[in-house]
This record gives sequence, structure tokens and C-alpha cells, in this order.
Amino acid sequence: QITLKESGPTLVKPTQTLTLTCAFSGFSLSTTGVGVGWIRQSPGMALEWLALIYWDDDKRYSPSLKSRLTITKDTSKNHVVLTMTNMDPVDTATYFCAHSPLYASGSFYNWGQGTLVTVSS
Amino acid sequence: QSALTQPRSVSGSPGQSITISCTGTSSDIGGYNYVSWYQQHPDKAPKVMIYDVSKRPSGVPDRFSGSKSGNTASLTISGLQAEDEADYYCCSYAGTWVFGGGTKLTVL
Repeated sequence: QITLKESGPTLVKPTQTLTLTCAFSGFSLSTTGVGVGWIRQSPGMALEWLALIYWDDDKRYSPSLKSRLTITKDTSKNHVVLTMTNMDPVDTATYFCAHSPLYASGSFYNWGQGTLVTVSS
Repeated sequence: QSALTQPRSVSGSPGQSITISCTGTSSDIGGYNYVSWYQQHPDKAPKVMIYDVSKRPSGVPDRFSGSKSGNTASLTISGLQAEDEADYYCCSYAGTWVFGGGTKLTVL
């Protein structure tokens, strides 16, 4: 059974850096073709893809947020970490991590429950 | 990279069929066979319903089907049921990923 769970601060101040962790089980990020991505959803708004890291450490970022995002993995701990710098109230959103397997590599096949991050002073 | 275009809302009666369109460009939908569709109920995480344009994960009813023509992908739900009422999002790989703006499905 594949599970993913996001964790991190629920409240950050403007200009601070957000660090979120995705802890997963049921698959390995050292398996060929596997990726883990981050997607966010502002209240009442659509899903927005942020970043994805592959088993071979290939990293992809949203062009509009690339300068603020860093995604890393710790294969031994089954963790993926996303950092977003210079947080702003418009970054208030639920942040999801999701698994992209080889057999469905263009999709986000399994999702975490999401974690709500509020940006406010 | 602009968001894919979906109708804001669609509706149908139980038992009917509906289709949700998702329009992109030759750089995303038209360029790759990596369109996926997600169902999201209120305050829940999205759930993949279709991947690789037309493949259904195990456990997804065969009432859900996907297709693509040119730069437009479509999700069809036949035999509408009350539990199908949700938001639906399309997504396309394009070197990176882009989502649609979402469609609210109301089952009348």
C-alpha cells in the first residue's frame, strides 16, 4: 500500500522560507522511473503544479516559481523536501505531495492528504 | 505556461452522460499522450481517474473514460451517479506539468 504524508509549519510569516516534508511508504525513490511531485491549491482555487523530483535526481520546476523552489530527496529516509523562499500571503494554500510511478509517469497516481499553510504576519 | 482551459461547470441528471473538455496547445496536450484527470471532493485530496489520456486505474468505474483529439482532451462520465458530483481537473505533461482550471460537476 502506497501512502504519502505532508508535514511542515501551518503558519509562516511573509518573506520567510517554507520547508515541507513528504514522507512516503510503499515505494522507493530509487526505483527507475519513479517521481514525487508537489502540487498546491489555494482556497477555492485550482490545483497548481510546483515541482517534481525523479529517482535519478532529475528535478523539474514550475516556470513561474522556479526561482523560489528547491526540491530534494532522501532515498534512505523515504522523504522528499520542498523549500519555497520569500513566502507571501498569496502562497497560502494546501500543499500536496504525490507519487508518479513508471507505469503512469505522466500522472500523479497517489496523493497525500495535504497540509494547509497560511502566510500571515 | 498557461493553465489548460476547462468549463467552469457542467451538470447532468442521474443516468445521463456528460463530457468535460480540456483545451491546451501543441506544447502540452497536443504534444504528449500524458493527459490525466482528477476527481476532488470537498476538503479531500484529488484522486486520479484517468491517466495517459484514456487509461483507468484499477478501482475506477468504467463509466469514466478519456480521449484526446489534437490539443483538446475530454473526460466522459456515463451513467451519472450522485457520488460523481465533485470538481474535476485535467493535467498535461509538457516537460513540466500544467493543470486545468477545474470543472464543477453538479448531479441534478
